Amino acid sequence: DQQVKQNSPSLSVQEGRISILNCDYTNSMFDYFLWYKKYPAEGPTFLISISSIKDKNEDGRFTVFLNKSAKHLSLHIVPSQPGDSAVYFCAASAKSNYQLIWGAGTKLIIKP
Amino acid sequence: KAGVTQTPRYLIKTRGQQVTLSCSPISGHRSVSWYQQTPGQGLQFLFEYFSETQRNKGNFPGRFSGRQFSNSRSEMNVSTLELGDSALYLCASSSGTVNTEAFFGQGTRLTVV
Repeated sequence: DQQVKQNSPSLSVQEGRISILNCDYTNSMFDYFLWYKKYPAEGPTFLISISSIKDKNEDGRFTVFLNKSAKHLSLHIVPSQPGDSAVYFCAASAKSNYQLIWGAGTKLIIKP
Repeated sequence: KAGVTQTPRYLIKTRGQQVTLSCSPISGHRSVSWYQQTPGQGLQFLFEYFSETQRNKGNFPGRFSGRQFSNSRSEMNVSTLELGDSALYLCASSSGTVNTEAFFGQGTRLTVV
């Protein structure tokens, strides 16, 4: 049972435009959400997180939006740059369990 | 502050052998989690150690085991290696408290031949 779903295996975006990566979750106990970026043959790098008490968190070009009623979060990257080409993972955790639950990842390709 | 260190970076083993991978977490972090990533796959959770105790476990066979030492360093062992164990093994370090991010090492690329 996939508790965190990233339904788009890949996404292609023009350089300079907005990239929107989506993530859905099923467990209503999740109260902390994170996005990671991963290059091939490297470990994931933490990008940005959001607590369930917020609906938006920004850090530079990266903004995460959380819609609790829809159990949906999205990562916006504006403007997209070539170095943003990577696999993006969404993860979630609940206070009752210290374990991070991961989505399958979305491969973002930024076209010049 | 030093990051998460995984050794070795690359390893080639023969089917049937056993292997031990090492992870040194960020100083002060008490939680270490291990993940397996195979080509085209996401992060498959193996187990998590916190203060020398296994706190969470994924759905991997008993051939996969781990331990954590008093200095929070962790080792992962895979016995009777199979070809399908070829993967990137990632270690993540965190404070171990709720709602906190994890920081990953560069991983160990294991190839079983």
